[in-house]
Amino acid sequence: GAGVSQSPRYKVAKRGQDVALRCDPISGHVSLFWYQQALGQGPEFLTYFQNEAQLDKSGLPSDRFFAERPEGSVSTLKIQRTQQEDSAVYLCASSLASGAGFNSPLHFGNGTRLTVT
Amino acid sequence: EDQVTQSPEALRLQEGESSSLNCSYTVSGLRGLFWYRQDPGKGPEFLFTLYSAGEEKEKERLKATLTKKESFLHITAPKPEDSATYLCALPGEYGNKLVFGAGTILRVKS
Repeated sequence: GAGVSQSPRYKVAKRGQDVALRCDPISGHVSLFWYQQALGQGPEFLTYFQNEAQLDKSGLPSDRFFAERPEGSVSTLKIQRTQQEDSAVYLCASSLASGAGFNSPLHFGNGTRLTVT
Repeated sequence: EDQVTQSPEALRLQEGESSSLNCSYTVSGLRGLFWYRQDPGKGPEFLFTLYSAGEEKEKERLKATLTKKESFLHITAPKPEDSATYLCALPGEYGNKLVFGAGTILRVKS
């Protein structure tokens, strides 16, 4: 079946612009995660949704970052007033069960590469 | 705070040359461990879940093992298609996230 789909695949933004990144999780998956991956590093946690509820946003680096999942399916990560340090790959993952535990592994999309110039 | 360290940062092998990747961690209590593979331009792909010390899992040329302090990913007779970045991850304290290491970049030359 279809995996996790992210769009756009690439995004170039000028410093100060707002961007919106979209994630379509696997149908029926309860949990949805956003991660940020800098070049040569492992993914860094940003936020976690269980259905439409945002249960953990401890990884969002500043109040310029905002995520939503209003109907418990598609999610959008919005970054306001982008800065150069926001340049990274933004990965979305979903899983069938609640949390990032062992009942169901995380399935990742291929990410959105954001470049802020 | 939980920390995950992977070594080496990069590893070059000849086809057929077996080796191991290491993942060490400091956690308040071991809650298991995950291994993922990431190809360039792609998201991480799940490989293994290890639940407790002493457990082993195998998949083709890969075998993952777990102790109380570290995990190893053994690669037996690797092929060029095994070239990728291998990531290990631990569940966070409240189970709401995975904490990833920086990864080991593996290159297998024919």
